[in-house]
Amino acid sequence: GENVEQHPSTLSVQEGDSAVIKCTYSDSASNYFPWYKQELGKGPQLIIDIRSNVGEKKDQRIAVTLNKTAKHFSLHITETQPEDSAVYFCAAAHTGNQFYFGTGTSLTVIP
Amino acid sequence: ETGVTQTPRHLVMGMTNKKSLKCEQHLGHNAMYWYKQSAKKPLELMFVYNFKEQTENNSVPSRFSPECPNSSHLFLHLHTLQPEDSALYLCASSQEGVETQYFGPGTRLLVL
Repeated sequence: GENVEQHPSTLSVQEGDSAVIKCTYSDSASNYFPWYKQELGKGPQLIIDIRSNVGEKKDQRIAVTLNKTAKHFSLHITETQPEDSAVYFCAAAHTGNQFYFGTGTSLTVIP
Repeated sequence: ETGVTQTPRHLVMGMTNKKSLKCEQHLGHNAMYWYKQSAKKPLELMFVYNFKEQTENNSVPSRFSPECPNSSHLFLHLHTLQPEDSALYLCASSQEGVETQYFGPGTRLLVL
């Protein structure tokens, strides 16, 4: 089955700086890569996703890049704010099949 | 809010108790999922229902019993649980043919 690795497990940045979280996957058939944000006491919320026919996608301060050849994808958050502090999860899936999640990155934005 | 609600939000139970977790989605989706979230581990898929039919059971112990009476409601019946079953149990839903899953807030379960 699929194996998703996520790094780093914890990340601290100063407010206004950028944060980058990286994930690798093993199954070349995976074609859907969502990113979720989980705040304390809440369930994961989808923040951005990318499909394998696209190399990059942006939504305001958040961007995701995908390198299919290397089997890795990354989340980029620019101009970080304290409310960005949360746990972020990546996942990989093949259409119609189950999601495989990374172990999460705890992001702290220091004011 | 994501349109997926779960009750109760917190549950403490003994190993001999029987309890049920409830999930309801208001998104018109036809697939629903149960996940287990433990500290330092990836989310673990437990069960999948498509159009009320169970299509996935990831080797989950029989002390967990799912029920999906219709495409909007999903239950997880619990009995004779073990302390290692303590975790956050998340429900999610999606539309067939669309991969995006929407999660509820979870039920924090503590087994004593």
